[in-house]
Amino acid sequence: AQKITQTQPGMFVQEKEAVTLDCTYDTSDQSYGLFWYKQPSSGEMIFLIYQGSYDEQNATEGRYSLNFQKARKSANLVISASQLGDSAMYFCAMRAGTASKLTFGTGTRLQVTL
Amino acid sequence: NAGVTQTPKFRVLKTGQSMTLLCAQDMNHEYMYWYRQDPGMGLRLIHYSVGEGTTAKGEVPDGYNVSRLKKQNFLLGLESAAPSQTSVYFCASSYPLLALFFGEGSRLTVL
Repeated sequence: AQKITQTQPGMFVQEKEAVTLDCTYDTSDQSYGLFWYKQPSSGEMIFLIYQGSYDEQNATEGRYSLNFQKARKSANLVISASQLGDSAMYFCAMRAGTASKLTFGTGTRLQVTL
Repeated sequence: NAGVTQTPKFRVLKTGQSMTLLCAQDMNHEYMYWYRQDPGMGLRLIHYSVGEGTTAKGEVPDGYNVSRLKKQNFLLGLESAAPSQTSVYFCASSYPLLALFFGEGSRLTVL
């Protein structure tokens, strides 16, 4: 079975600073994918970034990057130059093997302050 | 660009009543999913479908049924609602192995 662990229930970061949201995963499959989603207070789920298990380079999408450490089974999200609009709940998720369904972590609530 | 549309957005039920949540996607995705979101528990998969006419159980399927009669639609049914089914329900769709795209969610309260 797959498991995603997000150990930070809440985080604070000052505007314009960088922040790292932690995610560790567990799977016995060699092929898997890791995803990060953002859920603002309005409730929708927004896809941010994806990393495949065989990708050699860390994924980046604008101000988002994924710090993928395969040996440590971690897939941390790094947000650079935080903005007030980054305040939201962030979920790490994984698909494993040939399955497309995602297993989600419990999320981290990020609050960006002035 | 509608994407994934869920109907209704809000519903209040009494214990024992039945209802159906409708999900429609216009992205020609093969795969569709129903998740529920409860405080502190993230999103948990209820049922999913890998193509028209197929369905499969997820992590928390009890008390729910689904149908995928058309590729673009995925219905979630509650035959006899219970207070434990009070939740926010999300439908999603995807191509195989790629990111899921979610609807806006449906908030269900069972009294």
